[in-house]
Amino acid sequence: DTGVSQNPRHKITKRGQNVTFRCDPISEHNRLYWYRQTLGQGPEFLTYFQNEAQLEKSRLLSDRFSAERPKGSFSTLEIQRTEQGDSAMYLCASSFPSGAETQYFGPGTRLLVL
Amino acid sequence: AQSVTQPDIHITVSEGASLELRCNYSYGATPYLFWYVQSPGQGLQLLLKYFSGDTLVQGIKGFEAEFKRSQSSFNLRKPSVHWSDAAEYFCAVGALMGGNKLVFGAGTILRVKS
Repeated sequence: DTGVSQNPRHKITKRGQNVTFRCDPISEHNRLYWYRQTLGQGPEFLTYFQNEAQLEKSRLLSDRFSAERPKGSFSTLEIQRTEQGDSAMYLCASSFPSGAETQYFGPGTRLLVL
Repeated sequence: AQSVTQPDIHITVSEGASLELRCNYSYGATPYLFWYVQSPGQGLQLLLKYFSGDTLVQGIKGFEAEFKRSQSSFNLRKPSVHWSDAAEYFCAVGALMGGNKLVFGAGTILRVKS
């Protein structure tokens, strides 16, 4: 088990383009989280899945953002019509629900919108 | 709603000196508390966590943290800092219910001088 993986690690795009990021969680983890981290700030919660069900979305997740986890394994986060304000590190984490649930983070995808 | 305050944006310590990073949280019930470390351009690595029981918790790399309910604090300590500890440190609080999304502080950047 190599932990949570994210691809790509870096993405540069022009304003108005669509981008998609992928997250592969730890194999036995059925919860998957997305966070966004801007420069100088801590990560902020965007959304989470339990298996394939998206159970909560933050108000930070505008209509241009969509996340899926179609088979309860990997997840994708798509941003449509990117804006310069979308430039950030997008972090994925996974966990196994328990009384001592701990989230394990991937290396992140750094997005730069020009 | 949960919140986390890390009062120190930057801290500089000499190699071999002791370290304490402050964290104050706001949460209406018993919190789950975490410390993560992030090296530049990388994801978050879990240092330690508190769920219940002994209020002094040990983590990896020689770190420990003490939960003080009366002060709503969860300060991170290390008796002797190594140059490799230079990184950004994040305190986070998790909700007991609702998917356990994490709320992070803004982080403290640790610089180690030789």
